[in-house]
Order: sequence, then C-alpha cells, then structure tokens
Amino acid sequence: EVQLVESGGGLVQPGRSLKFSCAASGFTFSDYAMAWVRQAPKKGLEWVATIIYDGSSTYYRDSVKGRFTISRDNAKSTLYLQMDSLRSEDTATYYCARHTGGYWYFDFWGPGTMVTVSS
Amino acid sequence: DVQMTQSPSNLAASPGESVSINCKASKSISKYLAWYQQKPGKANKLLIYSGSTLQSGTPSRFSGSGSGTDFTLTIRNLEPEDFGLYYCQQHNEYPPTFGAGTKLELK
Repeated sequence: EVQLVESGGGLVQPGRSLKFSCAASGFTFSDYAMAWVRQAPKKGLEWVATIIYDGSSTYYRDSVKGRFTISRDNAKSTLYLQMDSLRSEDTATYYCARHTGGYWYFDFWGPGTMVTVSS
Repeated sequence: DVQMTQSPSNLAASPGESVSINCKASKSISKYLAWYQQKPGKANKLLIYSGSTLQSGTPSRFSGSGSGTDFTLTIRNLEPEDFGLYYCQQHNEYPPTFGAGTKLELK
C-alpha cells in the first residue's frame, strides 16, 4: 500500500526558515517524480515544486523560486522541502504527492502538514 | 499559466441523484485534465486523468468528458461517500494548475 506521511510543519515567524519531510513507503520511491502541493486556509490547491526521480531536475512555481528548495534522499525514501524567507502568504497545508509516471498529475497524496507563518 | 475555472462553486444534491461539475481552461489543454476528490481527514484522491480515464479503484458511477477547453465530471447515482470537494487540474503543460474547487453537499 502506497503511503506518504509528512512531518515537520508548525508555526514560524515571517522571514524565518522551516524544513519538513515526507516519508514514502509501499512503492519504489526512486522510480517516481515527487511534488509538494499546498492549500491555503479555505482556498484551493496550488502546485509548489517537483523533483524528478533521481533529483537531477527540479521545478518551482514562480512565487517560491529562490526561497524554497525541494530535495530527496532515495536511500531513505524521503522527500524534503526547505522553505526560507517565509511570508504570511506561505501559510498553508503542504501535501506531499507522487507524480504518475512522467506526467503532471498526482496519483497518491499524503495527509498534509500545516505551516503557519505569523509573528 | 493555464487558468482553470470550475463551476458551480457549490452544489447540493441527494443520494441517488446525478450531478455534473464543469471545468474550463483558459486555453486548449487537449484531453489532459485530472479530477480529484478531497474529504476531511482523508488523503486527496485521484479520480480521473486524461479527461476520461478512471484511476484504478474509482467507481464506475464517475465519468469524465471533454477536450480542448471544456470538461465535465459527472457522478451518477450519488452515494453518501461522494459528498466533498472536487478539483480539476490540467496536466497538459507546466506548471500544473488547479481549479478553485466545487463543494458537493448533501441536500
């Protein structure tokens, strides 16, 4: 059974950093591109970043480029998101999601971890 | 970026009824549209991709149609577990973009 479990969210002040992770199990992690998708309170889903199966390429939405870094450790089947220079508009639930093959949609999602950026 | 517009924002229906949710893209996305279901306390669930292909495990009462810019998710013979939020997402081009969601509520 595919499982994705995020951890490491919390309350952080504007301008500070936070790094959280997603532990994957039930599939060969190193075979799949992975993504982070977020959802601000009472808002819709918003793709944040993607990393391909071996970590050699990454993609980011414009509003997080230069501030967020997606990475992975295939030996540990773990996905990460390092978030720097956080802003109030980054407040959201962050979901770890698996890309389906080489396509830009997501066949499995984690339950999400909440990040609140506030002073 | 491709803008995705979903309608209606809210929809009320009773078990056994059929409903349709629409999604319109700001430019042609060929057939490449996915539909997801979101329910409290559960992981988001992929229902349909490439416009009309059911993801493994999606009940046959769900169907997707459309191409180009206009797409529809139809749920026939609603079951109690079908109530929740539904999102469309184009997967034709980078970056992937989502609609604002449709809340399907019990009438």
